[in-house]
Amino acid sequence: NAGVTQTPKFQVLKTGQSMTLQCAQDMNHEYMSWYRQDPGMGLRLIHYSVGAGITDQGEVPNGYNVSRSTTEDFPLRLLSAAPSQTSVYFCASSYAALPGIQYFGAGTRLSVL
Amino acid sequence: AQKVTQAQTEISVVEKEDVTLDCVYETRDTTYYLFWYKQPPSGELVFLIRRNSFDEQNEISGRYSWNFQKSTSSFNFTITASQVVDSAVYFCALSRKTSGSRLTFGEGTQLTVNP
Repeated sequence: NAGVTQTPKFQVLKTGQSMTLQCAQDMNHEYMSWYRQDPGMGLRLIHYSVGAGITDQGEVPNGYNVSRSTTEDFPLRLLSAAPSQTSVYFCASSYAALPGIQYFGAGTRLSVL
Repeated sequence: AQKVTQAQTEISVVEKEDVTLDCVYETRDTTYYLFWYKQPPSGELVFLIRRNSFDEQNEISGRYSWNFQKSTSSFNFTITASQVVDSAVYFCALSRKTSGSRLTFGEGTQLTVNP
């Protein structure tokens, strides 16, 4: 049982480059979220989705785009990478009936030079 | 706005000691959820507990116990007889009941249990 799968695990970008962080879950969860984790700041919500075709902004959405065309996938796009986006990114999913009880992926460590 | 504060950045104990991790929260909502998550050195966050704001009953699960006090807006986590495997970063989190998957996390407490 794979759970929540994030790819890649590590990535180095140059300022201005774009890329997509992939997230897939195989638990048929309705809710999916993207967080970034920075030292001393805990996890901060970037974007989230309550179902296919429905997304909304979290606390720190600037510089990121998301879409949810299927229940399983929730990719996070960095449009033009900046050094401030150097962080560890986590994708999470949960059942609508059990809000907040989230299953997390292993994370993507991103460095922007 | 919601806020979660974990004032203890790092705690170091010796194995078998009891340790309490503090969590204080702020919210204007009358109904909400509180959570604790564990992030072991492997990095992947693991759910530990969810508490409904209506339920102030303390909970015990093995060596873990949680004390929820609405009067002081606190949701503290105690590990009894700590073990080296308890070494991790622990996060307290809060969500509105109407948007339960929009979690606001605290800064986290790094717990190190030494043998």
